[in-house]
Amino acid sequence: DQQVKQNSPSLSVQEGRISILNCDYTNSMFDYFLWYKKYPAEGPTFLISISSIKDKNEDGRFTVFLNKSAKHLSLHIVPSQPGDSAVYFCAASAIGGTSYGKLTFGQGTILTVHP
Amino acid sequence: EAGVTQFPSHSVIEKGQTVTLRCDPISGHDNLYWYRRVMGKEIKFLLHFVKESKQDESGMPNNRFLAERTGGTYSTLKVQPAELEDSGVYFCASSPGPGTSRYFGPGTRLTVT
Repeated sequence: DQQVKQNSPSLSVQEGRISILNCDYTNSMFDYFLWYKKYPAEGPTFLISISSIKDKNEDGRFTVFLNKSAKHLSLHIVPSQPGDSAVYFCAASAIGGTSYGKLTFGQGTILTVHP
Repeated sequence: EAGVTQFPSHSVIEKGQTVTLRCDPISGHDNLYWYRRVMGKEIKFLLHFVKESKQDESGMPNNRFLAERTGGTYSTLKVQPAELEDSGVYFCASSPGPGTSRYFGPGTRLTVT
């Protein structure tokens, strides 16, 4: 049972344009969401997070939007740079639940930014 | 500040053998997590330590996996006996608190032949 889904395995974007990565979840107990970036042979690196009490969080070129009614979140990268090329993982947790430390990850989306 | 370190970076063993993976979290981080990524799929939670105690081990696949965290510092994950389906990348992460972002190590790539 995949509780966090990233339905696009890959995304290709031109440098300078916007990259939009999408994520859907099914568990209504999730109240904290994160995006991680991963380069080959490295561990995931935290990018940005959002609590369920917010619908938007911005950090530099990265903005995460949360639509709780649709159980959908997205990561916007503007402008995209070639160094952003990596695998992006969406993750969710239920801070108020018994498994409060557990992150549930999506399958990842490979982002390629072309110069 | 040193990040999360994992040892070894890569291990190749035969089915039926034993392997022990080690994780050193960021100093002062009470929370330590183990995750696994199999065949390029999603990263799956294995377990969560708070100091030396197992807070949540709901993701451990079976009793061939044993995790310990001696003295609340480093942690080990032992697989005994290893099976082919145990192949994958094992990530360790740590955090000051459960509601904060996790810092991941580079992972140990385990190949069982």
